[in-house]
Amino acid sequence: NAGVMQNPRHLVRRRGQEARLRCSPMKGHSHVYWYRQLPEEGLKFMVYLQKENIIDESGMPKERFSAEFPKEGPSILRIQQVVRGDSAAYFCASNRDYLNTGELFFGEGSRLTVL
Amino acid sequence: DQQVKQNSPSLSVQEGRISILNCDYTNSMFDYFLWYKKYPAEGPTFLISISSIKDKNEDGRFTVFLNKSAKHLSLHIVPSQPGDSAVYFCAAGSNFGNEKLTFGTGTRLTIIP
Repeated sequence: NAGVMQNPRHLVRRRGQEARLRCSPMKGHSHVYWYRQLPEEGLKFMVYLQKENIIDESGMPKERFSAEFPKEGPSILRIQQVVRGDSAAYFCASNRDYLNTGELFFGEGSRLTVL
Repeated sequence: DQQVKQNSPSLSVQEGRISILNCDYTNSMFDYFLWYKKYPAEGPTFLISISSIKDKNEDGRFTVFLNKSAKHLSLHIVPSQPGDSAVYFCAAGSNFGNEKLTFGTGTRLTIIP
């Protein structure tokens, strides 16, 4: 009964490198959401994906950030040319389908540190 | 624009007493509201939710109250236990449009033994 799995749990990158964060949703879930939590702040929505489709990317920075959820395999959040301001906890969440209760199931997060 | 606001960054409550966490929202299109609990270095976990057609929902020690006219909701925990010490996030969503949740900034609850 695996929950939402994220890896890596911790990632250290130097400025200018690329960061790739992976998320496997709960079994049977086809909707994936990425949220970012900056230090001492709340969770900010980044992107909502279904298999092979980006549904809402209104929270994604316009440059350097991209996300995908392929037909096979995990969802990936990719940050190119990282900067110190990208240091944050990135949480992935999933749900099965349209639920009017809105409950999302979260992973334990990936903590990115940019040196 | 912060559509969901938690104005108290922290709250300390004596064990056994009632904890009341507050949340305000500005978007009248929100149809449902949720509370999540988060421990350090873990992901948020769902606690309790309420639909906009209700004004109260109860689950054990946890009760959520919704005042639509005031655009305000609160989470009551009674009696408070040491294991309740965590950060609590209020979240809101809408049945119209996409399905993302909008989160508040969180309230750190500390239960004093």
